[in-house]
Amino acid sequence: DGGITQSPKYLFRKEGQNVTLSCEQNLNHDAMYWYRQDPGQGLRLIYYSQIVNDFQKGDIAEGYSVSREKKESFPLTVTSAQKNPTAFYLCASSIPGTGINQPQHFGDGTRLSIL
Amino acid sequence: GDSVTQMEGPVTLSEEAFLTINCTYTATGYPSLFWYVQYPGEGLQLLLKATKADDKGSNKGFEATYRKETTSFHLEKGSVQVSDSAVYFCALRDAGGTSYGKLTFGQGTILTVHP
Repeated sequence: DGGITQSPKYLFRKEGQNVTLSCEQNLNHDAMYWYRQDPGQGLRLIYYSQIVNDFQKGDIAEGYSVSREKKESFPLTVTSAQKNPTAFYLCASSIPGTGINQPQHFGDGTRLSIL
Repeated sequence: GDSVTQMEGPVTLSEEAFLTINCTYTATGYPSLFWYVQYPGEGLQLLLKATKADDKGSNKGFEATYRKETTSFHLEKGSVQVSDSAVYFCALRDAGGTSYGKLTFGQGTILTVHP
């Protein structure tokens, strides 16, 4: 079955440490997205990528970095510069912008906490 | 910029009650509208969508009609079940301006259904 796989499900970060969240999709989608979800808030866009080797900052990119070396993979690194990283992180993919009536498909998320 | 406003929750209902979750939006172009559902500890699942004015999206007994004149996309279900307990997100995807297909989310509405 096609879908999006995020790993790990739970992740703990020590102060000053970078951590990387994995996102893999086998839907053959060109576009991929990272969102952050905080309690009582909607999802906020961190980074997005329309195509391999290209990505753009979203609304809250500070303290995060991404890469898109393969179509299937869009890992997110939470750097030590992100001072409030505790949140639920969701990865999504879709057909790119011209297909606005196409939904985004989401993974099951990674919950990041600070030790 | 684009924005989505949902009715504040949480919403608590008895089984078989009628559900309405209000959603209004502001967009610069002609957006597609979506309702997503999130069960505890999971990612978002697409519930239904509508891509143009007066379209009605429906799935699993849920319905929402795209009302351009009132810029609304209210979610309704005639008889809720305990299994419908989840967080519901209204979202829009606008092709106007940047065409990267960004989703703009409401803040989410928590629904709890009691037996």
